[in-house]
Amino acid sequence: GEDVEQSLFLSVREGDSSVINCTYTDSSSTYLYWYKQEPGAGLQLLTYIFSNMDMKQDQRLTVLLNKKDKHLSLRIADTQTGDSAIYFCAERGQGGATNKLIFGTGTLLAVQP
Amino acid sequence: DSGVTQTPKHLITATGQRVTLRCSPRSGDLSVYWYQQSLDQGLQFLIQYYNGEERAKGNILERFSAQQFPDLHSELNLSSLELGDSALYFCASSIQPDTEAFFGQGTRLTVV
Repeated sequence: GEDVEQSLFLSVREGDSSVINCTYTDSSSTYLYWYKQEPGAGLQLLTYIFSNMDMKQDQRLTVLLNKKDKHLSLRIADTQTGDSAIYFCAERGQGGATNKLIFGTGTLLAVQP
Repeated sequence: DSGVTQTPKHLITATGQRVTLRCSPRSGDLSVYWYQQSLDQGLQFLIQYYNGEERAKGNILERFSAQQFPDLHSELNLSSLELGDSALYFCASSIQPDTEAFFGQGTRLTVV
């Protein structure tokens, strides 16, 4: 079945690292994505990782993929108050009818000054 | 700015009515997706088009329909509206059906 799960809430202090976790179910997923949604705004694509990679780093963002456990994480280094938002992970299937992006429930990241 | 444009930004309408939401994809993108975001259901995939043809269908109600036009813009039609249809409706676009998708700012629909 299609089910992408995330913890609902994460609170960190400014300057600390944040780690947002996600588990997915479709082992045939080709790409996994992280999106950010600020209040009243659309979804902003932050980064993505191809399923044959273990890690991807992009400035303050590090994505780790454990394909065996179907676990994806997003680490934000030196978290800032501007990082406060809801973070969604999403998986995409291989093709055809599974081209759609399946989103997780979203994790609300609250950054305390 | 993702380059995906949705209109209108806000829409308030009464139950039983019909509305049309419009989406202009990023220049060069051939694929368009529609998503519904509500507090109780989260982000739900509705439908995807690629170059004018339906590509994938999700949890889209029969009262809802969509199409992608030759100029690649898309419209989502919602009819016989119910209170529970109140939500944020997002459009996204991508170059190909399996490449990264960029989202618009959404249309907030309120049914009263």
